[in-house]
Amino acid sequence: AQSVTQPDIHITVSEGASLELRCNYSYGATPYLFWYVQSPGQGLQLLLKYFSGDTLVQGIKGFEAEFKRSQSSFNLRKPSVHWSDAAEYFCAVGEAAGGGNKLTFGTGTQLKVEL
Amino acid sequence: GAVVSQHPSRVICKSGTSVKIECRSLDFQATTMFWYRQFPKQSLMLMATSNEGSKATYEQGVEKDKFLINHASLTLSTLTVTSAHPEDSSFYICSAPLAGPYNEQFFGPGTRLTVL
Repeated sequence: AQSVTQPDIHITVSEGASLELRCNYSYGATPYLFWYVQSPGQGLQLLLKYFSGDTLVQGIKGFEAEFKRSQSSFNLRKPSVHWSDAAEYFCAVGEAAGGGNKLTFGTGTQLKVEL
Repeated sequence: GAVVSQHPSRVICKSGTSVKIECRSLDFQATTMFWYRQFPKQSLMLMATSNEGSKATYEQGVEKDKFLINHASLTLSTLTVTSAHPEDSSFYICSAPLAGPYNEQFFGPGTRLTVL
């Protein structure tokens, strides 16, 4: 069965500092990988995704992530964090299920940004 | 991008009543939709896969008689929490995949259910 691990429950960074959120996955085949962001009481917004091809993927809001098969990782990065980036971040791995991707989510990382 | 809506956004009900939550794909059709449950400060847990024209597929540990799913059309899936109890209070989120090479999922904004 597929699984996702986000080892950091909470992370605090200063505004303007760089950010890296860790994600490790377990999946037998080539995974579909996603990063989502969730603001309090809101649904999920897709930041970026990896399906195939270039292992460094660019997303919205200045985020990027790198797929490293050898490390089973898909870490999210941002060079300079803005106060509005404070939110919960979820990494997810997908497997084909019927007509859609069945997603398994990590436990999330709560990002706090200090001004 | 594709839009998925949910209604209501929040609902408060008395213990023992049933609550229906709707999930709609507004500008695309979806033969499959997914229902998730999220407890405070926790991750999303997949509850079930809603299949248009057939029975839903429930994840292990999810009571199908408690959480009734109906995929009435290619743009609508409903989740009914029957005989709700306070432990059913949660944030329920649906998603629908957009048909394509990777069937990327789009998420609704969620429904906050509070059972008194």
